[in-house]
Amino acid sequence: QVQLQESGPGLVKPSETLSLSCTVSGGSISRYSWNWIRQPPGKGLEWIGYISDSGSTIYTPSLKSRVTISGDMSKSQFSLQLISVTAADTAIYYCARGRRSGSSFSFDSWGLGTLVTVSS
Amino acid sequence: DIQMTQSPSSLSASVGDRVTITCRASQDISNYLAWFQQEAGKAPKSLIFGASSLQSGVPSKFSGSGSGTDFTLTISSLQPEDFATYYCQQYYNYPLTFGGGTRVEIK
Repeated sequence: QVQLQESGPGLVKPSETLSLSCTVSGGSISRYSWNWIRQPPGKGLEWIGYISDSGSTIYTPSLKSRVTISGDMSKSQFSLQLISVTAADTAIYYCARGRRSGSSFSFDSWGLGTLVTVSS
Repeated sequence: DIQMTQSPSSLSASVGDRVTITCRASQDISNYLAWFQQEAGKAPKSLIFGASSLQSGVPSKFSGSGSGTDFTLTISSLQPEDFATYYCQQYYNYPLTFGGGTRVEIK
């Protein structure tokens, strides 16, 4: 049973960089996509982007200029960096695994999530 | 971006009720549609992929149907643990997008 665990600071100052990691255990890294999704308090879900097992990345256009997803697949970890944060980036951040479904990937496992608050 | 519209945004139902939630895509997404359940204060849980295939371990009281632009999630007999918010999501193309959610509350 794969498990995903987010980690990182819970408080980030405005204009600084949000950095989170996701550690994967109990499953293979290969043939999956590794995703970040966020949820502002009391609101809906927003997909941020993914990194594949081969290292390719795709980001949502609204965040593309500020986001980087990287991975150290040998350590079963992948990371999110979001620069120049504002209060609008306050959210619960989830990592999730995407399993091949047709020509795309569907999420099948999620981390528990970590709340990141942007405040001075 | 593909817009996903869920209805209703909330509903009240009783234990044992049959509940149906609908999701409409702004363009044809074939069957690249997933459903998730999110209990209050918890992470989403994957229920269905490919519009109608249950994720491993998901009870058969959940079922999904549809193709193209119109989809439904049905819970055959609502139980206390099913009171939650449900989201649909398309993975036909990028960016991946979610519906706004349907909150299922106790009547």
